[in-house]
Amino acid sequence: DTEVTQTPKHLVMGMTNKKSLKCEQHMGHRAMYWYKQKAKKPPELMFVYSYEKLSINESVPSRFSPECPNSSLLNLHLHALQPEDSALYLCASSRTMGYMDEQYFGPGTRLTVT
Amino acid sequence: GENVEQHPSTLSVQEGDSAVIKCTYSDSASNYFPWYKQELGKRPQLIIDIRSNVGEKKDQRIAVTLNKTAKHFSLHITETQPEDSAVYFCAAWRDSGGYQKVTFGIGTKLQVIP
Repeated sequence: DTEVTQTPKHLVMGMTNKKSLKCEQHMGHRAMYWYKQKAKKPPELMFVYSYEKLSINESVPSRFSPECPNSSLLNLHLHALQPEDSALYLCASSRTMGYMDEQYFGPGTRLTVT
Repeated sequence: GENVEQHPSTLSVQEGDSAVIKCTYSDSASNYFPWYKQELGKRPQLIIDIRSNVGEKKDQRIAVTLNKTAKHFSLHITETQPEDSAVYFCAAWRDSGGYQKVTFGIGTKLQVIP
């Protein structure tokens, strides 16, 4: 299994809602990543987990809250988002956090905040 | 922080011709440079990468060159095919305070005309 899966594919939420994005991989990778990608822009790194511990938080607003319950799962909890948070949220994983390990991207969750 | 510039932003070539996309980076500490292909509505996929101790790498029709002195690296696609049409992102990874960080280029939309 060389795939990273993400659910849901699409999500529409109001600014007062609480929702979660989920990411899963069964490749035995110990590093998992959240990226945000706006239309026609490159991905922007948000969070990195290494061995289930948060290793990098790229100054992301607290309305985004990551969680790594185990080595295969990565969640992104969303609360009180703003319309400008609408974007494609990509999860990725790699064997380790060594940046020379190839990253495998999931298909993304397209989020719309109304 | 790192700044990665990518040129051109759009590129149209005739099928069978070559395509070249160039990136420059600012931080001499960057030492891993992957290239991603992202088709419309799909996830980024690594197509080739190069490490700072290597000057050139080739994989079939795709090659990447790196000039550490000038801080630039380029993607070369030969004998282009319509299925090469996509957005291509370059990226630069570096160590920052014990963590690895990535900066992406803005992307190049490649159109291969049959």
